[in-house]
Amino acid sequence: TQLLEQSPQFLSIQEGENLTVYCNSSSVFSSLQWYRQEPGEGPVLLVTVVTGGEVKKLKRLTFQFGDARKDSSLHITAAQPGDTGLYLCAGGRLDSNYQLIWGAGTKLIIKP
Amino acid sequence: DSGVTQTPKHLITATGQRVTLRCSPRSGDLSVYWYQQSLDQGLQFLIQYYNGEERAKGNILERFSAQQFPDLHSELNLSSLELGDSALYFCASSPGIYPLFDGSQGYTFGSGTRLTVV
Repeated sequence: TQLLEQSPQFLSIQEGENLTVYCNSSSVFSSLQWYRQEPGEGPVLLVTVVTGGEVKKLKRLTFQFGDARKDSSLHITAAQPGDTGLYLCAGGRLDSNYQLIWGAGTKLIIKP
Repeated sequence: DSGVTQTPKHLITATGQRVTLRCSPRSGDLSVYWYQQSLDQGLQFLIQYYNGEERAKGNILERFSAQQFPDLHSELNLSSLELGDSALYFCASSPGIYPLFDGSQGYTFGSGTRLTVV
């Protein structure tokens, strides 16, 4: 059983469209991170959120941490082909000794 | 370039063999983590070393072992290889023990070693 469920698993949209991907859990996390992984490369950290309700923006990417710190979302505005990749969320909890728990990822393809 | 160096990039070997994967962490990072990524299992945490000492263990098989040397580079040894061990193996590093609290830097990943067992 995945502690962090990401949805959708796969998303293919046209350039210029908006999209939201989700990272959900029934457990509370101390903080949560989002990574993007491109083919043949390791994941690259995009953002860390630590406070319930926190919203962070990274250019066209908006990240939100749920008020109860059990879920997070990533919204991309006007998606571009360069946004293509595997988006992974990872959270840390005290009872896992703060080792990151990873979601399975959302594979995003932006078509020109 | 993330600053984390993994070698080799690709490795093809036969079942039953043993291989060693190498990782040099980003300068200044004391923690090294090993991950396995396969299509059906996603990113699986194997083991963490901090400043030469084993810090945490994940889903690491008994056929696998790792160590971190005084110069902080790390090696992951995979033995009695099976077809199912074919995967991408990533090394990541972070400054301290808890990546979530290392100034929000999280992990820095290398580019991985693609292992194919035939």
